[in-house]
Amino acid sequence: SAVISQKPSRDICQRGTSLTIQCQVDSQVTMMFWYRQQPGQSLTLIATANQGSEATYESGFVIDKFPISRPNLTFSTLTVSNMSPEDSSIYLCSVALGTDTQYFGPGTRLTVL
Amino acid sequence: SQQGEEDPQALSIQEGENATMNCSYKTSINNLQWYRQNSGRGLVHLILIRSNEREKHSGRLRVTLDTSKKSSSLLITASRAADTASYFCATGANFGNEKLTFGTGTRLTIIP
Repeated sequence: SAVISQKPSRDICQRGTSLTIQCQVDSQVTMMFWYRQQPGQSLTLIATANQGSEATYESGFVIDKFPISRPNLTFSTLTVSNMSPEDSSIYLCSVALGTDTQYFGPGTRLTVL
Repeated sequence: SQQGEEDPQALSIQEGENATMNCSYKTSINNLQWYRQNSGRGLVHLILIRSNEREKHSGRLRVTLDTSKKSSSLLITASRAADTASYFCATGANFGNEKLTFGTGTRLTIIP
C-alpha cells in the first residue's frame, strides 16, 4: 500500500483568492490523480498528473481554474484559483500502485466564503 | 458523468445484521473497487475485483461481480457500529494506473 499525506487538511478561504493543495506519497508513482467531492456527493476526477508532462483534465475542468504541478514522482500540487463558494468541496489525491488498486490521501476540506 | 449508481442510497440496520449494497455501471470495465469513507474523510480501499472474477472475500466482506448485468454487490456480514460510513464502488476501464469512475455511494448506518 501507499502512505499519502495532504496539506492543508482543511482551510477556509475568501472568494477570489487561490489555494494550493499539496500531495505527498511515500513511494515513487507514475500517475497521480486529483478528485473533487462536493458536499453530499460522490467523487469526480479533476485531472491525471504525470511526472514531466502536462496534466490531463476531465471534461468540465480547465487548467486555468485548477493548475497542477508534478515536479517529481512523489509529489503533486493542485491549485484552486479565483475561488467561489461553489468550489467548497473535499479535494483528494490518489495514486495507483501497479496492481490497479488506488490509494487515497486523507483529503483537504475547503470552504469558500 | 457518473459511471455507476448504487442502491440503496441509505441503509440502516441493527448491529450484527448483514448489510448488502449494490452497484451498477454502464460500460465495460477491467476492475471494480469498493471504498469506505468515514464522515467525509479520506477513502479506505476495501477490495478490488477484476472483470474475470465473480466473487471475492476479505474478512467480513464479500464482493460479487456480474459483468453480464454490469453490476456488483458488497456484503458486510455481522455488522459493527464501526462499519457506519459511506461506501462507494469505483470502476477502472483499463489495466494499469487507470482513472476511476465512482458510483453515487450508499450511506450505511449501524444501530447499536
